[in-house]
Amino acid sequence: QKEVEQNSGPLSVPEGAIASLNCTYSDRGSQSFFWYRQYSGKSPELIMFIYSNGDKEDGRFTAQLNKASQYVSLLIRDSQPSDSATYLCAVPTGANSKLTFGKGITLSVRP
Amino acid sequence: DTAVSQTPKYLVTQMGNDKSIKCEQNLGHDTMYWYKQDSKKFLKIMFSYNNKELIINETVPNRFSPKSPDKAHLNLHINSLELGDSAVYFCASGRSGTYEQYFGPGTRLTVT
Repeated sequence: QKEVEQNSGPLSVPEGAIASLNCTYSDRGSQSFFWYRQYSGKSPELIMFIYSNGDKEDGRFTAQLNKASQYVSLLIRDSQPSDSATYLCAVPTGANSKLTFGKGITLSVRP
Repeated sequence: DTAVSQTPKYLVTQMGNDKSIKCEQNLGHDTMYWYKQDSKKFLKIMFSYNNKELIINETVPNRFSPKSPDKAHLNLHINSLELGDSAVYFCASGRSGTYEQYFGPGTRLTVT
C-alpha cells in the first residue's frame, strides 16, 4: 500500500455544490495532515492542515480526520469555478519534516 | 515581497549538458527542500537541508547535487542531463520541527 493514496478523480461538480476530496494513509502513527491546492501551471499552496480527529473549518473549507479509519477528507462548500485545481494531500513520513504527497485529485467546478 | 523565489523559471537544454537552478527564501525559515513534479503531476521530494546540513537525501541519481551556501539559499546542480530529467522542479521552505512547507514558483526543465 502506498503511503498516501488519492484514488478518486478527476472530480467535476456544479457551481454551488459540495466537493468532497478523500485521502487515505498507511502510517497509523501519522499525527498531522496537510491539504495543498495547485492551480494549473502554478506551485502548490498550503490551504489546510489538521492534527486532531474530527473537523476543522476555515471559511468554505472543512478538513475531516478519522485516524481509526486512516483517512482525511477535504470538503469545499459552495464550490466556485475558482476552486478548480488539483488538490494534494500530504502526510509526514519519517523524520526531518519530510512530507509525502498523494498524486492529487483534479477538481473542476462547472459554472 | 516575502516569498520563495527560483531562477530560472524555464530551462530548455540538450541532453548531456550541465545546468543549475537557484532558490532563495526570505521567510526566515531554516529548512529548504527540492521536489520534482513529473508529467503526471506526482510531487516527490529529492533533498532537504536544515541550516546548510543535508537531512533528506532520497533515491536520486548522483548526477543531482544540491548545495546550500546558507539557510536562505538552496541550489540544485544537474550533470549530464537526460530526457527523463524533464520535469518541474520546486523549491520549498519551512521551519524545522514543523511540516508546513511553502513552495517557490517552480522551474520547468525541458531536456531535448
